Amino acid sequence: SQQGEEDPQALSIQEGENATMNCSYKTSINNLQWYRQNSGRGLVHLILIRSNEREKHSGRLRVTLDTSKKSSSLLITASRAADTASYFCATETQANDYKLSFGAGTTVTVRA
Amino acid sequence: KAGVTQTPRYLIKTRGQQVTLSCSPISGHRSVSWYQQTPGQGLQFLFEYFSETQRNKGNFPGRFSGRQFSNSRSEMNVSTLELGDSALYLCASSWGGASETQYFGPGTRLLVL
Repeated sequence: SQQGEEDPQALSIQEGENATMNCSYKTSINNLQWYRQNSGRGLVHLILIRSNEREKHSGRLRVTLDTSKKSSSLLITASRAADTASYFCATETQANDYKLSFGAGTTVTVRA
Repeated sequence: KAGVTQTPRYLIKTRGQQVTLSCSPISGHRSVSWYQQTPGQGLQFLFEYFSETQRNKGNFPGRFSGRQFSNSRSEMNVSTLELGDSALYLCASSWGGASETQYFGPGTRLLVL
């Protein structure tokens, strides 16, 4: 079973709107990472947030982490057509087992 | 700095054959991880190598194996291919492992007929 699960599975928004997706996980983590994947290509790293951090920003991206609820959210502000992609959260558990466990992803479509 | 490269990009094999995929990490990166991506199972961890040592292996049958060379390049091998092995195989490199940003290659798309 997967450690992380994203919600919603799919999201369709108008250009300029904000997009929010959530990730829940099961076991305690060292860090949580968000990745983007365009149309079956390789994954692109967006943000890494460690377990002792609550919020991080990168450009139009804002990630929050609530370890008490075992959840994280990714907010994309002022979306653009180029943001159309699948977004995955990935966690490294405190087992330090040298692997990332990925969620099923959220597919975001930005309409022009 | 050159990114992670994977070869070949596309591959068609028949059941029972074997296949070897190659991954060249970013220069200086010593950790290489492999993932299998399918529509049904999503992204599944295969294995991770650091300085030629396998530190973890995912829940895959023994037909899936890998290795890492002294220059950090890595290969994975799948023997006795099954239809269900059709997938996008992604490798990722980093300095030290999953605690850090992973840099992914474009993937090798394998189709087993």
